[in-house]
Amino acid sequence: AQSVTQLDSHVSVSEGTPVLLRCNYSSSYSPSLFWYVQHPNKGLQLLLKYTSAATLVKGINGFEAEFKKSETSFHLTKPSAHMSDAAEYFCVVSATGTGRRALTFGSGTRLQVQP
Amino acid sequence: GAVVSQHPSRVICKSGTSVKIECRSLDFQATTMFWYRQFPKQSLMLMATSNEGSKATYEQGVEKDKFLINHASLTLSTLTVTSAHPEDSSFYICSATPADRSRNEQFFGPGTRLTVL
Repeated sequence: AQSVTQLDSHVSVSEGTPVLLRCNYSSSYSPSLFWYVQHPNKGLQLLLKYTSAATLVKGINGFEAEFKKSETSFHLTKPSAHMSDAAEYFCVVSATGTGRRALTFGSGTRLQVQP
Repeated sequence: GAVVSQHPSRVICKSGTSVKIECRSLDFQATTMFWYRQFPKQSLMLMATSNEGSKATYEQGVEKDKFLINHASLTLSTLTVTSAHPEDSSFYICSATPADRSRNEQFFGPGTRLTVL
């Protein structure tokens, strides 16, 4: 079984300040972890993914995430928020090795960026 | 590359009618496609896994006779909501996984917003 917990349903930051979106996961297998972003009424866009290579993963638009197995965490960060970052963010886990490639989504974190 | 399209993007129908939603992988072959639904301000919930040439696998609580899935080719899966009711109104999103299993990433379509009156 696998699960994802996004610890904050809503995060508000000021433009130019750092962003931290928290995610903890649970998986019986070696997980692949993803962060997706969804802008209003739009589809999902992949920000970054971890698939057992480097634990610090760099993604698009200046985002990065660090896989910490000891803490079962995969927090998303960005040094400086931009207004265009305002969106819904989903932490996602995929259990590799099961032959079943379905994704399990976290509940989402809505990021608000104040001017 | 790895573009997934959905059609229609938005549909409004009367209660009791059936609605078909198409999911296409435009530039790759997908042996597996997934169908999700997303209620307002909620996360995506997996409905079913669509396998080319075989029956779909439905998640617990999803009525297979209500949500008919057909994966007739390596680039097309369809979801038909039969006898739709207002509670079926939702955002339906598909994703596709390339047949090359070294790529474990799923590529998502833009979604279809269904409103049942």
